[in-house]
Amino acid sequence: GAVVSQHPSRVICKSGTSVKIECRSLDFQATTMFWYRQFPKQSLMLMATSNEGSKATYEQGVEKDKFLINHASLTLSTLTVTSAHPEDSSFYICSARAGASREKLFFGSGTQLSVL
Amino acid sequence: DAKTTQPPSMDCAEGRAANLPCNHSTISGNEYVYWYRQIHSQGPQYIIHGLKNNETNEMASLIITEDRKSSTLILPHATLRDTAVYYCIAPLYNQGGKLIFGQGTELSVKP
Repeated sequence: GAVVSQHPSRVICKSGTSVKIECRSLDFQATTMFWYRQFPKQSLMLMATSNEGSKATYEQGVEKDKFLINHASLTLSTLTVTSAHPEDSSFYICSARAGASREKLFFGSGTQLSVL
Repeated sequence: DAKTTQPPSMDCAEGRAANLPCNHSTISGNEYVYWYRQIHSQGPQYIIHGLKNNETNEMASLIITEDRKSSTLILPHATLRDTAVYYCIAPLYNQGGKLIFGQGTELSVKP
């Protein structure tokens, strides 16, 4: 089946620094990618929808200047957490879809971000 | 804003069938029902999806009621590795097909 690769799997950073997370579709072209975050013992929360070549669409309450999303190619989307703070510590997960909205989503393995 | 409701938790004995219910009484006629599961600290894994006919694959079976108001995911012979949170989701096709996750059902398979 299709594979979505997410990197890094774990990152620890100091407060105030920026962290970039990469999401790649390895064997298909992803016209749409989604970014989620998940706090302990909670469900996944959708942060934004990323379409190749256009600006991301953010969910209500998600700061677009805080969480920069770039989807520059059909196989790569990046999420940059800018000026990270301890409250940004979370599990970030990307997902990708190959074609139409009825196609299933494939998920990356997630990135555990810890901000000290 | 999930359009599905699931019990928060279930137990199942190893080797027995696990039947996970999902209510989706408000989904429209052209909306598929998808099932994913998430094992601790991993990304969600696709299991199966269906519209109105029952579906079966190598992982599970999906039984959808005739009125499409509910469905049941069946793991025929649950193993300890099936312990996970199971999510029943109806994608929002008018919003790019995004998936909004509810709380899911935490399935514990016990020896």
